[in-house]
Amino acid sequence: QKEVEQDPGPLSVPEGAIVSLNCTYSNSAFQYFMWYRQYSRKGPELLMYTYSSGNKEDGRFTAQVDKSSKYISLFIRDSQPSDSATYLCAPGTYSGGGADGLTFGKGTHLIIQP
Amino acid sequence: DAGVTQSPTHLIKTRGQQVTLRCSPISGHKSVSWYQQVLGQGPQFIFQYYEKEERGRGNFPDRFSARQFPNYSSELNVNALLLGDSALYLCASSLALLNTEAFFGQGTRLTVV
Repeated sequence: QKEVEQDPGPLSVPEGAIVSLNCTYSNSAFQYFMWYRQYSRKGPELLMYTYSSGNKEDGRFTAQVDKSSKYISLFIRDSQPSDSATYLCAPGTYSGGGADGLTFGKGTHLIIQP
Repeated sequence: DAGVTQSPTHLIKTRGQQVTLRCSPISGHKSVSWYQQVLGQGPQFIFQYYEKEERGRGNFPDRFSARQFPNYSSELNVNALLLGDSALYLCASSLALLNTEAFFGQGTRLTVV
């Protein structure tokens, strides 16, 4: 089982819809959870991060973490064609004086139809 | 304010050659991480440097090495290139060791032929 799993899609929804992107993980040591958006042939762009279980909202984006079921979600309200991209979840750990980097899922390819 | 800058943007190398990729972090950021992203996959962690010391290493062979300079810029070196090393190499910078708010550059696309 991979440490971080995402459905690669593509997920196609009409403009204005609410989008739900999901991610599961297996490593209980993950302490913080990042979401990145990546346009084709570009570097990932940080959208949000959260430490704890529960919801965190930023504009049209809401990140949700359920540590008990190891499930991470990103909701996008009022989706726009410019939201069409690949969305990557990336949990991370911090262990004392070391760093384990971020562990990325494969990403979900999202298409917003005008 | 400049973001993370990487050079070169594209590179073509022959099998067996060596390559050096460069990264300048966001001003004030002291940590630089390197990731490899193969087409269709998420980025995979290679190294993290903080205050010029290696603080984390992913599951990559010894052909991969890196260093961080006093100005916090960084280089990633790959020796004895293989076809499978063809990928987008990403650099991320963060204020400190913790990778929350890690910002990525646009990457260097390496093609090994």
